Amino acid sequence: DVKVTQSSRYLVKRTGEKVFLECVQDMDHENMFWYRQDPGLGLRLIYFSYDVKMKEKGDIPEGYSVSREKKERFSLILESASTNQTSMYLCASREGHLETQYFGPGTRLLVL
Amino acid sequence: GQQLNQSPQSMFIQEGEDVSMNCTSSSIFNTWLWYKQDPGEGPVLLIALYKAGELTSNGRLTAQFGITRKDSFLNISASIPSDVGIYFCAGPPFKNQAGTALIFGKGTTLSVSS
Repeated sequence: DVKVTQSSRYLVKRTGEKVFLECVQDMDHENMFWYRQDPGLGLRLIYFSYDVKMKEKGDIPEGYSVSREKKERFSLILESASTNQTSMYLCASREGHLETQYFGPGTRLLVL
Repeated sequence: GQQLNQSPQSMFIQEGEDVSMNCTSSSIFNTWLWYKQDPGEGPVLLIALYKAGELTSNGRLTAQFGITRKDSFLNISASIPSDVGIYFCAGPPFKNQAGTALIFGKGTTLSVSS
């Protein structure tokens, strides 16, 4: 079974803090993704990576950056957290030749 | 851009009833995926469809890839309380490049009363 883990289930941070969200997958998948999920807006893509050290912007990259130093790990960074970044953050991974994505349990982030 | 229209937005049913939800697109999809998300959790893959006309079952769940490649439906038979959650359809954009992300429907929220 594919396993995608996220470092925290719940986080509370203050405005202006730098926030790191970590995601690890154990299936040697090439592609990894970060989404945020908000009521009424569904899942929106922030960034994705198709290889180590490679990254591509998604639909809403502003205020975020990512890092992929190792194949199994994809980090999402909020450079200076703001209240409008309060959300559920979901990481996913995908094999190179298939479309199926596997999600982690999510991190619910509250920025005060 | 491409969008997925998922309906109904929400459903309130009695335990034991059958459920049907669908997803439509204005453009062709080559893959349809159905996910379920429990409250406070990440989406879990239920069924993946890769060919037009394909009908696939997973326990009490059945999903079909529409013959026009622009729609898909998911049926749940004899619903039980643990079927409660949000069901999402998803698919890759046409001319998908390696590593590009899925497009998701807005979800169908299912409530089951016992």
